[in-house]
Amino acid sequence: EPEVTQTPSHQVTQMGQEVILRCVPISNHLYFYWYRQILGQKVEFLVSFYNNEISEKSEIFDDQFSVERPDGSNFTLKIRSTKLEDSAMYFCASSERKDILSYEQYFGPGTRLTVT
Amino acid sequence: KNQVEQSPQSLIILEGKNCTLQCNYTVSPFSNLRWYKQDTGRGPVSLTIMTFSENTKSNGRYTATLDADTKQSSLHITASQLSDSASYICVVSSNTNAGKSTFGDGTTLTVKP
Repeated sequence: EPEVTQTPSHQVTQMGQEVILRCVPISNHLYFYWYRQILGQKVEFLVSFYNNEISEKSEIFDDQFSVERPDGSNFTLKIRSTKLEDSAMYFCASSERKDILSYEQYFGPGTRLTVT
Repeated sequence: KNQVEQSPQSLIILEGKNCTLQCNYTVSPFSNLRWYKQDTGRGPVSLTIMTFSENTKSNGRYTATLDADTKQSSLHITASQLSDSASYICVVSSNTNAGKSTFGDGTTLTVKP
């Protein structure tokens, strides 16, 4: 069964460093998402991406964050200058269609980011 | 402000028993409601998805209901198994915010032998 994959599974970085989290969505999906989950808290929406541009973003997704689809398979989340509060599990998800058409979102296993 | 409230926050049941989890939402206008199961340290896995025209949907031992008038949903788990121990998350999407979903805090279910 097709699945969303994410690398690395765990990333440790020092405050102020740039990190890139990578995701490979399911191949025929057109909509891509990033979410984060701080330990012990609920999942929070960061950004959605369609047709090579951001379609929606939350207030969390400030200028320190960017997303890119550098080729036909990868979808990346970049944090330019990490802060301690960026420590969280980051989930990538993909779907065939937008939420408004109620298509399923399939989540990856997550990347645990630890900022020291 | 769009909100999703889940209850109870946590629940402990014995293996083989049934349970029902609740979700109330204020997301408007409503597009769809999804229930996810999330094991510790893993990504959420979809259980059911319902639009406003659906009031019940089953997936094996999981049955979700939706009352769009009262903005309430429930997830019923029958004949619980130890592997059902997880967090169950209610997620509601609005069709004015394409791609943006509001997550509940989840209900942590523990099934004991």
